[in-house]
Amino acid sequence: QQQVKQSPQSLIVQKGGISIINCAYENTAFDYFPWYQQFPGKGPALLIAIRPDVSEKKEGRFTISFNKSAKQFSLHIMDSQPGDSATYFCAASPLGAGSYQLTFGKGTKLSVIP
Amino acid sequence: NAGVTQTPKFQVLKTGQSMTLQCAQDMNHEYMSWYRQDPGMGLRLIHYSVGAGITDQGEVPNGYNVSRSTTEDFPLRLLSAAPSQTSVYFCASRGQGASNYGYTFGSGTRLTVV
Repeated sequence: QQQVKQSPQSLIVQKGGISIINCAYENTAFDYFPWYQQFPGKGPALLIAIRPDVSEKKEGRFTISFNKSAKQFSLHIMDSQPGDSATYFCAASPLGAGSYQLTFGKGTKLSVIP
Repeated sequence: NAGVTQTPKFQVLKTGQSMTLQCAQDMNHEYMSWYRQDPGMGLRLIHYSVGAGITDQGEVPNGYNVSRSTTEDFPLRLLSAAPSQTSVYFCASRGQGASNYGYTFGSGTRLTVV
């Protein structure tokens, strides 16, 4: 049973455009929603994360939008750059007990073309 | 500060062979996890540990063993390698507490079983 569904599987965006990746979850115990960025040959790296007490979190060009009632969250990359080309994973876990069990989406390969 | 160190980076095994993937972290993190990454499957949790002497199974534990004798080290053992275990393996760690939910990943071990 896939607990975190991520879409699209791949995404091509023009330089300067907005990249949007969506995730939906099923487990209502999830209370922590991070996004990881992975470059080829490297391990995933934490990009940005949100907890459900806020509906949006912004760090530079990266924004997470969170809709608790719909059990959905999304990553927006503004002014996308070729250097943003990577695979992005959404994830979810409970807070407190069980927080060590991070469940990942299947990933989105983003290509930003000049 | 080395972070999470995984060795080896690449390995080819014959079916039935055993081996140990090494993982060490120097951040004094309590939580450590092993994930495998397969194309189109995201990252799936194999085993995890919440502290020295404490380990538990994740989503895909069959064929793997772990132990955690020290805070720093969390080796993953393949008992009898099978072609289905061909994958990229990532070790990750994080600290306890509300400010430490982000996992730090190693750079991975690419394993091929022939």
